[in-house]
Amino acid sequence: DGGITQSPKYLFRKEGQNVTLSCEQNLNHDAMYWYRQDPGQGLRLIYYSQIVNDFQKGDIAEGYSVSREKKESFPLTVTSAQKNPTAFYLCASSMAQGGTYEQYFGPGTRLTVT
Amino acid sequence: QKEVEQNSGPLSVPEGAIASLNCTYSDRGSQSFFWYRQYSGKSPELIMFIYSNGDKEDGRFTAQLNKASQYVSLLIRDSQPSDSATYLCAVKRGGYQKVTFGTGTKLQVIP
Repeated sequence: DGGITQSPKYLFRKEGQNVTLSCEQNLNHDAMYWYRQDPGQGLRLIYYSQIVNDFQKGDIAEGYSVSREKKESFPLTVTSAQKNPTAFYLCASSMAQGGTYEQYFGPGTRLTVT
Repeated sequence: QKEVEQNSGPLSVPEGAIASLNCTYSDRGSQSFFWYRQYSGKSPELIMFIYSNGDKEDGRFTAQLNKASQYVSLLIRDSQPSDSATYLCAVKRGGYQKVTFGTGTKLQVIP
């Protein structure tokens, strides 16, 4: 089955700890994205990557970091510098060119920091 | 002014009726428009995308785009209780990879 996987589904961390969220896709998509969703709010873009070894900051990149060493993988690290890390984190992927550019989402990771 | 605006709702419709969800956008360079459905606690699921002015139909869903009025809508015919969810409108500017999402409209289909 083609799709996007995110792990874990739920994650609990203590304040001050860095945490890495996993995102893997087997759709052969070039572009991958990380969003954050807070209750009652829309999706806010954290980082995106159009190609391996390249990524760009989104609207709310402060306190987050990413890497793109493989086409299939785009992990997100939530650092201790992120002031309000508790949120629902969504990974998505799409074609980067020559396609219709619609984004497909993984199931999400719900992060709680106390 | 928000880049993508949606009425948060809830929009309540009786089962079997047509639900009409609306979205306006501010960037005239927008070229691609997407509708996602998000059930509570779940991730967004793509329903439809549209690029050209006019209507695009897929089963019970019809997307309508009017670029002159900067307006895109989603019609759901024969609404079912299982259609109860939040519907997100998303807009992409031509030449850019970034997609901007609205905050969503909550739809309630009453049996």
